[in-house]
Amino acid sequence: GPKVLQIPSHQIIDMGQMVTLNCDPVSNHLYFYWYKQILGQQMEFLVNFYNGKVMEKSKLFKDQFSVERPDGSYFTLKIQPTALEDSAVYFCASSYQGNTGQLYFGEGSKLTVL
Amino acid sequence: GQQVQQSPTSLVLQEGENAELQCNFSTSLNSMQWFYQRPGGSLVSVFYNPSGTKQSGRLTSTTVIKERRSSLHISSSQITDSGTYLCAMATGGNNKLTFGQGTVLSVIP
Repeated sequence: GPKVLQIPSHQIIDMGQMVTLNCDPVSNHLYFYWYKQILGQQMEFLVNFYNGKVMEKSKLFKDQFSVERPDGSYFTLKIQPTALEDSAVYFCASSYQGNTGQLYFGEGSKLTVL
Repeated sequence: GQQVQQSPTSLVLQEGENAELQCNFSTSLNSMQWFYQRPGGSLVSVFYNPSGTKQSGRLTSTTVIKERRSSLHISSSQITDSGTYLCAMATGGNNKLTFGQGTVLSVIP
């Protein structure tokens, strides 16, 4: 089936540094999402993105977070500066439609902030 | 309160037994999906099932939208079925998924 690729699969950084998580969505998809899962906890929505704009964000999407997809390249989640509580697995998803339809998820990027 | 309630929280099966996992939603929804999360954390989509019954191999999902519930039936369980099964609902206009807490399934020999 359609694949969403995430790079890196795992990154370890020091608190205060910047990190960029990259997502290569399904090729004809137009809607993009980030979800966050802290170890042992529930998967939670962070943000969704369409046509160059954030459509909706949750309270977990702090001011230190930003997303973009410059010119059809990777859909990225940037955290600057990172904090200890940002340690989690971040999942990217994409869908063709914005109000319905299946979301396709990547395998996740595990972020460890020391 | 929890918008997506999954039951049971955990389940232990002997290999070959069947399992029925439930998902109940507290609000009306547009669609729902079932996922399998491997012990290592990666996510696999099992079903996109906005309504009705879908089958894939030993897995069957039934969603009754008007009753705000969905079930996942696993027949003849195998050890490799062990992991966490997540259901999620989509609501509103942004196709945003809200996940349940998951059912942790352990299949033993």
